[in-house]
Amino acid sequence: DIQMTQSPSSLSASVGDRVTITCQASQDIDNYLNWYQQKPGKAPKLLIYDASNLETGVPSRFSGSGSGTDFTFTISSLQPEDVATYYCQQYDTLPFTFGPGTKVDIK
Amino acid sequence: QVQLVESGGGVVQPGRSLRLSCAASGFTFSSYGIHWVRQAPGKGLEWVAFISYDGDNKYYADSVKGRFTISRDNSKNTLYLQMNSLRAEDTAVYYCAKGDILTGYRFDYWGQGTLVTVSS
Repeated sequence: DIQMTQSPSSLSASVGDRVTITCQASQDIDNYLNWYQQKPGKAPKLLIYDASNLETGVPSRFSGSGSGTDFTFTISSLQPEDVATYYCQQYDTLPFTFGPGTKVDIK
Repeated sequence: QVQLVESGGGVVQPGRSLRLSCAASGFTFSSYGIHWVRQAPGKGLEWVAFISYDGDNKYYADSVKGRFTISRDNSKNTLYLQMNSLRAEDTAVYYCAKGDILTGYRFDYWGQGTLVTVSS
């Protein structure tokens, strides 16, 4: 199975800060990577697909980049409503696997 | 609008069975692959199973292979997950998630989840 790692596991930042999360795959997954946001008590929500494409309706402060094994997710200006856990997910190879998540909160 | 509503969760003893359902609306159900994804309490997300739009292709995580069966009834716009030989480690919130039209493997809409607790 392809193992996905994320760093950091948690972070605390101020409103307006730029926040960056990294995701690494254990083998080359091309750009078959998605990012999800999960707010407490809620279902996950798709934010970014194919590493860098913004899902319809998602604010433009969210972005993604990368290819191969190394990927980055960025919130350009953190907002209070962005408090959540963020997961990367690969779909290059079955079984589809998620990263362990990065919990983001406000300082 | 797209809606996915899971049901069927509850408390069940180890070794017993349970069937989850996911009722879909707001899209052409018979055109899309659908997934089950679960989340143990306080833990991350784990993909469980996928079924293609026509039911011909099914894939499972190794952790549930041979015990869980995914199926669908396109006439009822409903997805199912038959869970047999349940174990304590199957305790989780189970989400159904719609696949995108292009790849089927991008989870673009999720239900609210149903909690399954396996305990004696």
